[in-house]
Amino acid sequence: DGGITQSPKYLFRKEGQNVTLSCEQNLNHDAMYWYRQDPGQGLRLIYYSQIVNDFQKGDIAEGYSVSREKKESFPLTVTSAQKNPTAFYLCASRPNSGANVLTFGAGSRLTVL
Amino acid sequence: EDKVVQSPLSLVVHEGDTVTLNCSYEVTNFRSLLWYKQEKKAPTFLFMLTSSGIEKKSGRLSSILDKKELSSILNITATQTGDSAIYLCAVDMGNYGGSQGNLIFGKGTKLSVKP
Repeated sequence: DGGITQSPKYLFRKEGQNVTLSCEQNLNHDAMYWYRQDPGQGLRLIYYSQIVNDFQKGDIAEGYSVSREKKESFPLTVTSAQKNPTAFYLCASRPNSGANVLTFGAGSRLTVL
Repeated sequence: EDKVVQSPLSLVVHEGDTVTLNCSYEVTNFRSLLWYKQEKKAPTFLFMLTSSGIEKKSGRLSSILDKKELSSILNITATQTGDSAIYLCAVDMGNYGGSQGNLIFGKGTKLSVKP
């Protein structure tokens, strides 16, 4: 079945450690996105990529980094510079043409101990 | 500043009730408005609205857009416990300015349906 796979589902990190969240899609979508969701805050855009080897900062990119070496993959690294990394992270994708309807992964919940 | 505002932020009803969720927006450019349902994990797409006054319907859920009032409503009739979720509203500004087709999300409405 086509879809977006995020891993891990749950992750615990000690302060000062970098962690990488995986996002893989087999939908042949061009654009991919990372959102952060906090209780009562809706979805906030971290980074997005509309094409391989290119990506742009979203509204809250500080303390995060991404890469887009393959069309199918868009990993997110949460660095030690992110002051409040405990959150639910959602990856999404869509084709570059047609309606702007995002398909979401099941999310990764990061907790910093 | 472009923004999407949803109300109420949370709502508790009993099975069988009808609910109306609201979404208003102030954006520089409007292409479409989308509704998503999120049950603990991946948001799933419900409706995309582009034209005023045309109701979209799927089972007990329906939605309509009012471009004059810059708002949309999502109605759920005969609610069931399975309707308990966060309902997200988002606006697509198209490739305008720096938005590059990104969606602007509201904070969501958390609906709890009690048996």
